[in-house]
Amino acid sequence: DIQMTQSPSTLSASVGDRVTITCRASQSISRWLAWYQQKPGKAPKLLIYEASRLESGVPSRFSGSGSGTEFTLTISSLQPDDFAAYYCLQYNNFSGKFGQGTKVEIK
Amino acid sequence: EVQLVQSGAEVKKPGESLRISCKASGYSFSTYWIGWVRQMPGKGLEWMGIIYPDDSDTRYSPSFQGQVSISVDKSISTAYLQWGSLQASDTAMYYCAKSASGVYYFDYWGQGTLVTVSS
Repeated sequence: DIQMTQSPSTLSASVGDRVTITCRASQSISRWLAWYQQKPGKAPKLLIYEASRLESGVPSRFSGSGSGTEFTLTISSLQPDDFAAYYCLQYNNFSGKFGQGTKVEIK
Repeated sequence: EVQLVQSGAEVKKPGESLRISCKASGYSFSTYWIGWVRQMPGKGLEWMGIIYPDDSDTRYSPSFQGQVSISVDKSISTAYLQWGSLQASDTAMYYCAKSASGVYYFDYWGQGTLVTVSS
């Protein structure tokens, strides 16, 4: 069972800041990683898949990188609409596991 | 337009059974994996399992194996999540979600079904 460790759990930042969130897998998952944004009371929204592919309609300030066991989600310039929770998801071999989540708060 | 419409909120007592549903439209239901995700109050997302509607091949997370049952009715493009005996710890929001083609991340999500289990 692959475990995902996401950090930090909470992040305080200001509008315009560059923000980075990390997910580490307990074993190699190649590039089978997605990133989601979730706002309170809403379903998650897909941002990135296959580690670095931007989902259609997602602003280009979001980017993903990594392979194997270490992955990052970067928001290049934080906007007011970006204050939310973010989750990584590993999807590999007919199974999935979410990271614990990162709450991005207003500083 | 892809849509996943889930059944409404449920309030149940411990020990009762329950089946919640997720009706899909706007795509070929039988040929995309569909899955369920749990979110307990104030907590993160948990991947529960997925099912391939065409042949009902089902894969569960070890954490949920034996605790729930996932099924589909292809004739009405609907997926189900079922409990035989609910516990208070099953209180959560449950989301259904459609997988992308040939892979197991979710690209479209339902609105969620809140299940409350309380005596």
